[in-house]
Amino acid sequence: SYVLTQPPSVSVAPGETARMTCGGNNIGSKSVNWYQQKPGQAPVLVVYYNTDRPSGIPERFAGSNSGNTATLTISRVEGGDEADYYCQVWSRSSDHPYVFGPGTKVTVL
Amino acid sequence: QVQLQESGPGLVKPSQTLSLTCTVSGDSISSDGYCWSWIRQHPGKGLEWIGYICYSGATDYDPSLKSRVTISPDTSKNQFSLKLSSVTAADTAVYYCAKMAAAGQEPFDVWGQGTMVTVSS
Repeated sequence: SYVLTQPPSVSVAPGETARMTCGGNNIGSKSVNWYQQKPGQAPVLVVYYNTDRPSGIPERFAGSNSGNTATLTISRVEGGDEADYYCQVWSRSSDHPYVFGPGTKVTVL
Repeated sequence: QVQLQESGPGLVKPSQTLSLTCTVSGDSISSDGYCWSWIRQHPGKGLEWIGYICYSGATDYDPSLKSRVTISPDTSKNQFSLKLSSVTAADTAVYYCAKMAAAGQEPFDVWGQGTMVTVSS
């Protein structure tokens, strides 16, 4: 099955930039979606199709995808950005067609 | 805007069938192209896709759960439901319903708030 890897945690000071990766075999050939989940809440889509943002998501959230790594970048981090972030892909040939990464906990210092 | 709301028992006994309903407002579950998924999250863990039903009635399930899962629509109530049979403690999780614009690489763009289901005698 297709496996996604994410660092367990990222810490960042307010106003700085947070970068988190999502690794997978030739993930650059896939479309990656990113979800933000705050404690006790449902996930919220923040980036889709690698780089697009849904309506209402700030431009501070940006995605990229190339080679074996996709990246979510949060610029000018705010306290409200503290959350778990999950990457997700569709892998048609996998025995698990919809795959989520294990998640990265973003802590705002 | 589309909103989803899960409902169902919060406690299910081992070996029984877990049954949940997702009520959709703001759009029709029969809207062309849309698919409607169930996703679960074990306590303190990541997200796991269970399956979906599309506007056409087509379904797809994760192979690891396929033998125990049924997702079906109730178009008269604009709802879709999840049935998971022969549950064990490993099925204890928060269950979410979510919308997709289509099957395949489309994202899960709208989620319900989730409902916690505990499997215990």
